[in-house]
Amino acid sequence: DIQMTQSPSSLSAFVGDRVTITCRASQSISSYLHWYQQKPGKAPKLLIYAASSLQSGVPSRFSGSGSGTDFTLTISSLQPEDFATYYCQQSYITPWTFGQGTKVETK
Amino acid sequence: QVQLQESGPGLVKPSQTLSLICNVSGGSISSGDYYWSWIRQPPGKGLEWVGYISYSGSTYYNPSLKSRITISVDTSKNQFSLKLSSVTAADTAVYSCAVTIAAAGPFDSWGPGTLVTVSS
Repeated sequence: DIQMTQSPSSLSAFVGDRVTITCRASQSISSYLHWYQQKPGKAPKLLIYAASSLQSGVPSRFSGSGSGTDFTLTISSLQPEDFATYYCQQSYITPWTFGQGTKVETK
Repeated sequence: QVQLQESGPGLVKPSQTLSLICNVSGGSISSGDYYWSWIRQPPGKGLEWVGYISYSGSTYYNPSLKSRITISVDTSKNQFSLKLSSVTAADTAVYSCAVTIAAAGPFDSWGPGTLVTVSS
């Protein structure tokens, strides 16, 4: 299985901060990397697909980059509604796997 | 946009079979290049992909659960189902159904999820 490792596991930030989350794959996954946001008690919501494509309806402050094994999710200016847990997921090869999550909390 | 909704018992006894249904609306479950998945999340933990059934009826199961899983589709009811046998407390989780609208694509839409607790 491809292991997906996110860092950090959690972070504290202020509204307005620039936030960066990284995701590393245990082998190359080309650009088959997707990012989700999950709020408590809710299903995950797709933010970024294919490493850098913004899902329709998602604010432009979210962006993704990377290819191969190293990827990043950036929130350019953190908003109150962005406090949540973020997961990366690879679909390069089955079994599809997720990172362990990064919880973004208010400082 | 495709919408999904899970249903099934919230409590299952150890060693029994967990059975869930995902109702699909806003699109046909037989649509080309759609992959219908189950994903689970134990309380306070991360996400684990369980397996999928494709638009053509082919299945792929996570090897960690393969011997206990069956995913099937009922095109007449526009729904697909999950059966997980010989459950233990470790199978307690929120189970969600989701759809991938392209091979190797992301999970585009998710159901809200349903908590299944394994306990006697």
